[in-house]
Amino acid sequence: QVQLVQSGSELKKPGASVKVSCKASGYTFTNYVLNWVRQAPGQGLEWMGWINTNTGNPTYAQGFAGRFVFSVDTSVSTAYLQISSLKAEDTAVYYCAREGIAARDPEDYYYMDVWGKGTTVTVSS
Amino acid sequence: DIQMTQSPSSLSASVGDRVTITCRASQSISNYLNWYQQKPGKAPKLLIYAASSLQSGVPSRFSGSGSGTDFTLTISSLQPEDFATYYCQQSYNAPFTFGPGTKVDVK
Repeated sequence: QVQLVQSGSELKKPGASVKVSCKASGYTFTNYVLNWVRQAPGQGLEWMGWINTNTGNPTYAQGFAGRFVFSVDTSVSTAYLQISSLKAEDTAVYYCAREGIAARDPEDYYYMDVWGKGTTVTVSS
Repeated sequence: DIQMTQSPSSLSASVGDRVTITCRASQSISNYLNWYQQKPGKAPKLLIYAASSLQSGVPSRFSGSGSGTDFTLTISSLQPEDFATYYCQQSYNAPFTFGPGTKVDVK
């Protein structure tokens, strides 16, 4: 079945780095864009950006360029989110989500149809 | 950036109730509007895309409507498994912003 499997929870100290993985299965990895979404404790969903899994080209939402890096390894159908110089405010659940497309001539509609279970990153001294 | 608002922020309802949640965009987004359901400790789940198209496997008691700036998610007869938080999200322009969420809890 189609699924995204994310890596486990991380506890990091301020200033450290973390790399979260998102492994796809059940579909052709490079046919779909992969989104990253953040959810701080008790808060709503925040779109961080996406990565074209075919070209490896990332797009970052404002506030996520710089310390946040999206990458892919197509040989293992896996996307990565790396966060450097971690701060306490980076404490959150990070989700990867596949970008589905509904082709409705003349327009296409985009949505996040398959989600990973989330990776909790806790930043604390 | 397009701002999304939702109302109410929370509501209390009983099983069998008809529930309506409203989402408003700060500018016209045509019908590039998605709805997600999230239960505590779980990933969001896609319910509705393109404002009114039901995602495969989602019960028909969920429906969406609207176009332009104003959208509605309706649950025709609330079931026990529907108590959750609901988010709208625009897919018209990046950044693909979410609404703040509407929590539906037990009355």
